[in-house]
Amino acid sequence: GAVVSQHPSRVICKSGTSVKIECRSLDFQATTMFWYRQFPKQSLMLMATSNEGSKATYEQGVEKDKFLINHASLTLSTLTVTSAHPEDSSFYICSASSGGTGELFFGEGSRLTVL
Amino acid sequence: AQKITQTQPGMFVQEKEAVTLDCTYDTSDPSYGLFWYKQPSSGEMIFLIYQGSYDQQNATEGRYSLNFQKARKSANLVISASQLGDSAMYFCAMTLSGGYQKVTFGTGTKLQVIP
Repeated sequence: GAVVSQHPSRVICKSGTSVKIECRSLDFQATTMFWYRQFPKQSLMLMATSNEGSKATYEQGVEKDKFLINHASLTLSTLTVTSAHPEDSSFYICSASSGGTGELFFGEGSRLTVL
Repeated sequence: AQKITQTQPGMFVQEKEAVTLDCTYDTSDPSYGLFWYKQPSSGEMIFLIYQGSYDQQNATEGRYSLNFQKARKSANLVISASQLGDSAMYFCAMTLSGGYQKVTFGTGTKLQVIP
């Protein structure tokens, strides 16, 4: 089946630094990818919709300048957490659709810890 | 706007028994898709089953079946012959107008399978 890969799976950084998380569709082209954030023991909250070749669409309350999304190709979307702070520590998950059945495939997730 | 409700924060089931995880949804859009995902402690989201709003029959995938009651706006997940490896968080989710759109997740149900 379709596979979506995220990298890195875990990252620890100092406050004030920027962190980039990659989301790749390995065996299909994804014109649209989605980025979610999940706090411990909570559900996934959609942050933004990433469209290949155009600007991402952010959900209400998500800071565009803090969470930069770039969907440069049909197989890669990146999320950059800029000037990270401890409150940005969370589990970030991307997803993409291979079309057809409407099935969405998720990456393995990236756990960010900001010290 | 669409909404997904999972009223069971936690469930226990005896190994080899069947269990039903509840999910109700709310949308005024006639075209939508319903999903169930499993999230083990490792964090990745595993697709289980999909039901389209126009599908006449309930979806089934191995030991998973979706009890789709459109009039009641419910999409309960039934897991038959529970296994210890089924212990995880289970999320009900919805998309509107096909599978390419953003996904709204419920709050999840933590299932624990007892030996």
